[in-house]
Amino acid sequence: DAKTTQPPSMDCAEGRAANLPCNHSTISGNEYVYWYRQIHSQGPQYIIHGLKNNETNEMASLIITEDRKSSTLILPHATLRDTAVYYCIVLGYGNKLVFGAGTILRVKS
Amino acid sequence: EAGVVQSPRYKIIEKKQPVAFWCNPISGHNTLYWYLQNLGQGPELLIRYENEEAVDDSQLPKDRFSAERLKGVDSTLKIQPAELGDSAVYLCASSQGTGRGGMNTGELFFGEGSRLTVL
Repeated sequence: DAKTTQPPSMDCAEGRAANLPCNHSTISGNEYVYWYRQIHSQGPQYIIHGLKNNETNEMASLIITEDRKSSTLILPHATLRDTAVYYCIVLGYGNKLVFGAGTILRVKS
Repeated sequence: EAGVVQSPRYKIIEKKQPVAFWCNPISGHNTLYWYLQNLGQGPELLIRYENEEAVDDSQLPKDRFSAERLKGVDSTLKIQPAELGDSAVYLCASSQGTGRGGMNTGELFFGEGSRLTVL
């Protein structure tokens, strides 16, 4: 599976959009981009995933560039409860989920 | 619907003692995972089960760690004897499939984890 690069930490004001970037320049055509988050003292939680097209669900939006070498997870209206570590993972068909260090997102009032 | 249930939530033991963690996955989930998470790091896969079969245990330190999933439902992860470096959070996760038959592999449901402290 391709490796991902994320900033170690980011801050966001409460109520504003949080845009979390992820680089995956070696991604191959059949690999998906997954996002998870982990709130303190809890297990990781699945957020969203995509292959080529942008995706949106009740939690977030995922924007994948046309060349698929990078993506952005968007939390449209961040709240204090969105403070967590966010993991961007590239996953091939049938392969195992490999977590990196992720981005610590701090939402501040 | 109940999520993945793990116990105990916290465990403190002295080194060289044995310890066991239990996991009850989401009903109907055939795939079960055990992950290890050290402080400040992302989770690392220890073992993956497809029903009763351990299909990926390459990262499991087999000299002291063992796991079982009898009847393809609940699972137990054991450490014997524990060492100081085993202090970590042990996470269990389950999913509906692993890609066989075309099912998506990446949506895992995690429990809250078992935090182990070895003194």
